[in-house]
Amino acid sequence: DAGVTQSPTHLIKTRGQQVTLRCSPKSGHDTVSWYQQALGQGPQFIFQYYEEEERQRGNFPDRFSGHQFPNYSSELNVNALLLGDSALYLCASSHGLAGVTSSYEQYFGPGTRLTVT
Amino acid sequence: AQKITQTQPGMFVQEKEAVTLDCTYDTSDPSYGLFWYKQPSSGEMIFLIYQGSYDQQNATEGRYSLNFQKARKSANLVISASQLGDSAMYFCAMRDRTGANSKLTFGKGITLSVRP
Repeated sequence: DAGVTQSPTHLIKTRGQQVTLRCSPKSGHDTVSWYQQALGQGPQFIFQYYEEEERQRGNFPDRFSGHQFPNYSSELNVNALLLGDSALYLCASSHGLAGVTSSYEQYFGPGTRLTVT
Repeated sequence: AQKITQTQPGMFVQEKEAVTLDCTYDTSDPSYGLFWYKQPSSGEMIFLIYQGSYDQQNATEGRYSLNFQKARKSANLVISASQLGDSAMYFCAMRDRTGANSKLTFGKGITLSVRP
């Protein structure tokens, strides 16, 4: 049973460029969430996709956009990269419609480390 | 707004001893879920344990237990019989109630080092 996979593992981009990160959820999961983790910090929620729609969004500018495909995989796009976008980007998958007090945890992928120079 | 506070500096524990990692939270919602994740140097977040706000008993998962004190809004993680492989960052997180399958709000994390 494959877990959450992310690609690429590492990425180096220049300021102003655009980047696309990819995520495949764990088998049986239909919801994908994206998090940004700066060095020495906890992950910060970017947005969540379910049924190919953005369902929730954190406090991130619209330079951050995403997409979910019919097979539940997802992409995170970041335009006009800034130095401050350098971080580990984590994708997490879960089962849709899980309640607040449900024990359904989010399974995380290994992350994509983005460096902006 | 949801908030998770982890203020301990780097923690050290001797192998085979127990250690407690502190977590306090703030929420105005009566329904919430609390999680602990482990993040080794590889970067992947590994789920450890979950506690629901309505659970009457403290959660346990193998060597992990959660000391849930609802009135004090604390959810401390206790690791018994520490192993060298427990050395990692540990994050406390909360699921809020804005919609089903809601986002997780994380604390800043605690570094745990296990000494042989």
